[in-house]
Amino acid sequence: DAGITQSPRHKVTETGTPVTLRCHQTENHRYMYWYRQDPGHGLRLIHYSYGVKDTDKGEVSDGYSVSRSKTEDFLLTLESATSSQTSVYFCAAGLAGFDTGELFFGEGSRLTVL
Amino acid sequence: GQQVMQIPQYQHVQEGEDFTTYCNSSTTLSNIQWYKQRPGGHPVFLIQLVKSGEVKKQKRLTFQFGEAKKNSSLHITATQTTDVGTYFCRNAGNMLTFGGGTRLMVKP
Repeated sequence: DAGITQSPRHKVTETGTPVTLRCHQTENHRYMYWYRQDPGHGLRLIHYSYGVKDTDKGEVSDGYSVSRSKTEDFLLTLESATSSQTSVYFCAAGLAGFDTGELFFGEGSRLTVL
Repeated sequence: GQQVMQIPQYQHVQEGEDFTTYCNSSTTLSNIQWYKQRPGGHPVFLIQLVKSGEVKKQKRLTFQFGEAKKNSSLHITATQTTDVGTYFCRNAGNMLTFGGGTRLMVKP
């Protein structure tokens, strides 16, 4: 939807290894978000960005970092993956600010940390 | 942050029956958004409600925003198997909080 692609779509890694998930959008959305989805927890915000090089923490940011060097790309990095970070990660983007406008989601990246 | 609670967590219905999910907050919400996520898919925006007491319809779906702007509901009339999925409300306020979702299962 709305030209949002995530890569990789699936990844299996080992505890302690670094992992980077990429979100790419083609619609020039200013705002971008990373969520994780786990059974029983719904969607939880990890980090978000309100412009190039402008990022902030969400609800569950510990163990994650992000970068946004271009409007179209928002990277999520797990510096040292842990089993608790096994999850499905969704990137989202939107034109408007926090309190208005729909979010467009990517198809998700399933990460398994062994 | 402004937490939103959704009930029920799960709902099984027979095809043709109605379904309602509720989104509740202890504080006043600026606006509410609703999303649908099909099994194995990603959330897709359905609608946004902004005004107190607002009611919007999309075919068999009716969305309401409470008068006090502390709750919202999504009602599906005569469910179909295509309605299967998880429905999320989102408090599109400062904390970008999603409710935990209601998973709808429809028996044909």
